[in-house]
Amino acid sequence: DTGVSQNPRHKITKRGQNVTFRCDPISEHNRLYWYRQTLGQGPEFLTYFQNEAQLEKSRLLSDRFSAERPKGSFSTLEIQRTEQGDSAMYLCASSLGSRDSTDTQYFGPGTRLTVL
Amino acid sequence: GQNIDQPTEMTATEGAIVQINCTYQTSGFNGLFWYQQHAGEAPTFLSYNVLDGLEEKGRFSSFLSRSKGYSYLLLKELQMKDSASYLCAVRPLAYGNKLVFGAGTILRVKS
Repeated sequence: DTGVSQNPRHKITKRGQNVTFRCDPISEHNRLYWYRQTLGQGPEFLTYFQNEAQLEKSRLLSDRFSAERPKGSFSTLEIQRTEQGDSAMYLCASSLGSRDSTDTQYFGPGTRLTVL
Repeated sequence: GQNIDQPTEMTATEGAIVQINCTYQTSGFNGLFWYQQHAGEAPTFLSYNVLDGLEEKGRFSSFLSRSKGYSYLLLKELQMKDSASYLCAVRPLAYGNKLVFGAGTILRVKS
């Protein structure tokens, strides 16, 4: 399977703990995006990478959230001192980043986080 | 600000045609996407419009009117497997930036 993959698929943690999620994009894709989705809502943008450079961050991304893409391939999203409000599905997407105006984003299966 | 509106739920009969509307108000416009999302799964890409008019792809078609801030997704010959949430998303800024999603329309197909 050459789609976007995310690990773990599910994570249950206690309030105050740190968690880290991993995303592996489609291999030739230069752009990588993180979104958060809660029940009954559409995905909300968190941050975006062009290769290893983090080019945009949402105001939703508080100081407790950090994302990296160290070699321009996989990415990690870390949440420190988790709160119950962080419970959500965390989706990763990637796109080719070509000059084609479409630049479709393809999504991974997501990591469902539950903070107790 | 960014605002994207879609109906919350729709119900249609197997074999019928359904139209899901989306209206948007964004600070800029550089394309509109439709995604399908089954419960507990990732959104999957359906269609893209950047110019006014209709784009057809098999049983799915999508229409865009930029002057009206309006799009619709048309699903023909509905099948039970089409029961899902349909997400309208706008790319408001220059190429390569974020997508702004609506809350999604839950479509229920009944036999």
